[in-house]
Amino acid sequence: DQQVKQNSPSLSVQEGRISILNCDYTNSMFDYFLWYKKYPAEGPTFLISISSIKDKNEDGRFTVFLNKSAKHLSLHIVPSQPGDSAVYFCAANAGKSTFGDGTTLTVKP
Amino acid sequence: EAQVTQNPRYLITVTGKKLTVTCSQNMNHEYMSWYRQDPGLGLRQIYYSMNVEVTDKGDVPEGYKVSRKEKRNFPLILESPSPNQTSLYFCASSPTGDLYEQYFGPGTRLTVT
Repeated sequence: DQQVKQNSPSLSVQEGRISILNCDYTNSMFDYFLWYKKYPAEGPTFLISISSIKDKNEDGRFTVFLNKSAKHLSLHIVPSQPGDSAVYFCAANAGKSTFGDGTTLTVKP
Repeated sequence: EAQVTQNPRYLITVTGKKLTVTCSQNMNHEYMSWYRQDPGLGLRQIYYSMNVEVTDKGDVPEGYKVSRKEKRNFPLILESPSPNQTSLYFCASSPTGDLYEQYFGPGTRLTVT
């Protein structure tokens, strides 16, 4: 039973447009959420996080939104750039990290 | 440069032949962990260590061993590898446990035939 799900295995967007990556979770005890980015042949790198006491956190082009009632997390990238093409993992914490499957984002020039 | 290193990066081996994947970090982090990544299953934690000589099982520890004799090193040991351990393995470290940001190594692609 996967507690953290990224239902879209892949997403393709045009350069300059918005990318929206989604993540759903089932455990209401999760209180901290993170997004990691992974390039081929490299390990995941931390991108942005949000505490459950907030509903939005912004860092440059990246914004994470948290909807606790819907148990839904999303990552917005605006504007998208070709260098953003990577696999994005969401992770949720309730004493330990639980990761989603990842979504492969392709940003076309 | 602050980093987590893993060796080897790629390994093809046969069933039953013991192997060790090394992991080292130069950030003086207390917390280290091992994950495996499989299609459709995300990153699953194998073992973790809160500090030297302190290790504990993650979600999928069967078939693996670890040790933490020094703060910087956290090797993953497969005493008798089997084909279902074919996977992509990541080592990670953190100053504060896995509740917050972790730093990942580049990964080890293991194939067991």
